[in-house]
Amino acid sequence: EPEVTQTPSHQVTQMGQEVILRCVPISNHLYFYWYRQILGQKVEFLVSFYNNEISEKSEIFDDQFSVERPDGSNFTLKIRSTKLEDSAMYFCASSDRGRITETQYFGPGTRLLVL
Amino acid sequence: DAKTTQPNSMESNEEEPVHLPCNHSTISGTDYIHWYRQLPSQGPEYVIHGLTSNVNNRMASLAIAEDRKSSTLILHRATLRDAAVYYCILRDDKIIFGKGTRLHILP
Repeated sequence: EPEVTQTPSHQVTQMGQEVILRCVPISNHLYFYWYRQILGQKVEFLVSFYNNEISEKSEIFDDQFSVERPDGSNFTLKIRSTKLEDSAMYFCASSDRGRITETQYFGPGTRLLVL
Repeated sequence: DAKTTQPNSMESNEEEPVHLPCNHSTISGTDYIHWYRQLPSQGPEYVIHGLTSNVNNRMASLAIAEDRKSSTLILHRATLRDAAVYYCILRDDKIIFGKGTRLHILP
């Protein structure tokens, strides 16, 4: 069964450094998402992306965050200058046509630790 | 997004059915009821969804009240691998996760 993959599985960085989290969505999917989950808390929506544009973003997704689909397969989340509170699991998801009846398929996540 | 209410945690014995309740009294006519689950150290995983009628798939069944103000996810025969956090979500657009129900399966 096709699956969403994410790299790296773990990343440790110093506060203020830039990080790029990578995702390979399911190949024929057109809608892409990033979520994060701070340890012990809820999964939070960050951003949705379609047709090379952000469709929707949450309050969390401020100017420090950006997303990109640099080629036909990867979908990236960049945090420009990491803060301690950015430490979390980051999940990428994709769906075929983005309809509310459709499944979002989630990747295994990247655990980001900011020191 | 309309809100859902779920018990914080539930326990069930292995190989027995599990009924996970969800209240959504402010549901609108266009909200779909989705269930996802999150196994330990994994990303969320789709379980099932429905609008008005009860639904069955290979993982579970979804029973939706006639007034749609509540629903129940039914795992017919729980295994240890079903231990997870189960999220009941109303979707009119993006997915908003609540705290879910942590399901413990006792061997």
